[in-house]
Amino acid sequence: GENVEQHPSTLSVQEGDSAVIKCTYSDSASNYFPWYKQELGKRPQLIIDIRSNVGEKKDQRIAVTLNKTAKHFSLHITETQPEDSAVYFCAASWSGGSYIPTFGRGTSLIVHP
Amino acid sequence: ETGVTQSPTHLIKTRGQQVTLRCSSQSGHNTVSWYQQALGQGPQFIFQYYREEENGRGNFPPRFSGLQFPNYSSELNVNALELDDSALYLCASSLDTGLGNTIYFGEGSWLTVV
Repeated sequence: GENVEQHPSTLSVQEGDSAVIKCTYSDSASNYFPWYKQELGKRPQLIIDIRSNVGEKKDQRIAVTLNKTAKHFSLHITETQPEDSAVYFCAASWSGGSYIPTFGRGTSLIVHP
Repeated sequence: ETGVTQSPTHLIKTRGQQVTLRCSSQSGHNTVSWYQQALGQGPQFIFQYYREEENGRGNFPPRFSGLQFPNYSSELNVNALELDDSALYLCASSLDTGLGNTIYFGEGSWLTVV
């Protein structure tokens, strides 16, 4: 089955800095990669996703890049704000697996004012 | 809001008891998945239902079972509760389009086993 590794486990930045979270996956058949943000005590919420036919996708201060050859994808947050503080999860899935996502262990992002 | 609703939001059970958690999927979604999230961990896939049939199962023992109803709502049942079953149980619904299912989580049910 799919295995998703996520790094770092904790990331501490100053407000206004950029933050980068990296994930690798093992199954080359994976073709859909969502990212979720989970605030303390709340449900994970989808913030951005990318499919394997695209190398990069951007939505305001958030961007995701995908390198299929190396089997890794990354989340980039620019101009971080305190409200970006949360746990971020990457996931990978594929059609043969009924698109059941396998999640990484999460990155706790702390943005200091 | 995702439109996925779960009940109850919090509950406490004793080891050995049984629990049923409920989920109403987002309107138009035909697929429901259940996840277990322990503190400090990512969501772990339990199983998925598509049109009332189990469509995939994670590495969980048979005492974790489920149902999906004709209206696509779902139940998660856990028998013979163990202390390690204490976790946030998340229901997620999606629409199977064959193009990559985005799943939308409910708020979860916090289960504490004592």
